Amino acid sequence: DAKTTQPNSMESNEEEPVHLPCNHSTISGTDYIHWYRQLPSQGPEYVIHGLTSNVNNRMASLAIAEDRKSSTLILHRATLRDAAVYYCILQKQSPRGSKLTFGKGITLSVRP
Amino acid sequence: GAGVSQTPSNKVTEKGKYVELRCDPISGHTALYWYRQSLGQGPEFLIYFQGTGAADDSGLPNDRFFAVRPEGSVSTLKIQRTERGDSAVYLCASSLKPSLYSGANVLTFGAGSRLTVL
Repeated sequence: DAKTTQPNSMESNEEEPVHLPCNHSTISGTDYIHWYRQLPSQGPEYVIHGLTSNVNNRMASLAIAEDRKSSTLILHRATLRDAAVYYCILQKQSPRGSKLTFGKGITLSVRP
Repeated sequence: GAGVSQTPSNKVTEKGKYVELRCDPISGHTALYWYRQSLGQGPEFLIYFQGTGAADDSGLPNDRFFAVRPEGSVSTLKIQRTERGDSAVYLCASSLKPSLYSGANVLTFGAGSRLTVL
């Protein structure tokens, strides 16, 4: 499976923007880029996904590099509730189905 | 239901015992996934159902682990002869995706079942 690389952790200040990077240099042309987050003692929660173009939704924005070898999840104004582990995942299309393979993710801390 | 429901939320058992964990997916979701998560790690894929059949069981660690989804809705993960190393949070997810190929696949996860093997 194509792998993603994320820093282990990042700190931010409340109400400031946060940029979470992800490298995926072995991405294939049909792989979707997904971001999920996991709050303490909860299951992962979908945040956003994209293929080639930048994407915006109510939770975040996803900026995808032109060569698709990296992407950045952008939280426009971090809140204390955004403190979580964020996973960047490539969804590979295959005859066996489109499972998601999680890495260790990046732990985001938000300072008041 | 409104979300993915997993029961029990916590299960403590003794080494060697048999355990069943249940997942009730979102109504109408055709795909169902099982993951397990150890402390400090990301979720590890176990098995994926499309309807009643297991489309990919490549993540099941050994033959002590088995999962069923007989009517294409509720699924049960079964663990025989539990070992201390099976202690983890077992996560279930479902998705609406009917096709194996087309488009993105967004998963909705349950809160998990925490299994502790003493």
